[in-house]
Amino acid sequence: EIVMTQSPATLSVSPGERATLSCRASQSVSSNLAWYQQKPGQAPRLLIYGASTRATGIPARFSGSGSGTEFTLTISSLQSEDFAVYYCQQYNNWPLFGPGTKVDIK
Amino acid sequence: QVQLVQSGAEVKKPGSSVKVSCKASGGTFSSYAISWVRQAPGQGLEWMGGIIPIFGTANYAQKFQGRVTITADESTSTAYMELSSLRSEDTAVYYCARSVVVVIISGAFDIWGQGTMVTVSS
Repeated sequence: EIVMTQSPATLSVSPGERATLSCRASQSVSSNLAWYQQKPGQAPRLLIYGASTRATGIPARFSGSGSGTEFTLTISSLQSEDFAVYYCQQYNNWPLFGPGTKVDIK
Repeated sequence: QVQLVQSGAEVKKPGSSVKVSCKASGGTFSSYAISWVRQAPGQGLEWMGGIIPIFGTANYAQKFQGRVTITADESTSTAYMELSSLRSEDTAVYYCARSVVVVIISGAFDIWGQGTMVTVSS
């Protein structure tokens, strides 16, 4: 059974700074990895799929990298609207989400 | 642009069942898998299962096997999720979500419904 972990649990960042979020799978999921953003009271929003492909309409400041078991979501310059919870999800087997990383204002 | 619109909030007694609907509008329905994902208050996201309407066969997460039934009606572009033997731990927001790629259940989800709050309380 695959286990997904995300680090850190909370990331405090100032607007304009770079944010780097990590996601790890307990076994290889190839590039079958997605990232979502969720704000309070809203449904998740797909940011990245295939580990590095931005979804439609997602700004270029969001980028994804990695393959196998180690993945990274980078937000190059945080905007006020980027403060949210971010989830990774593997779909190499049945879909499984990580526990999330909360990005808050420093 | 495809939209998924879910049915309204429900309050249920322990031991009862709930059925939530998810109606698609504005695009192709049958070829894309619809999954159901739930989120307990203050918690993360949990995949429950999914269905490809054109095939009609659903797949379920092991945790929910025997307790959840996912169906789809192509004539109305609507998917359904029924959860039985409800307990307080089932209190959550239930989302339907569409897979990015056709005819594959296990994928990334690019379109989400607005969510349906299900409260289980005596």
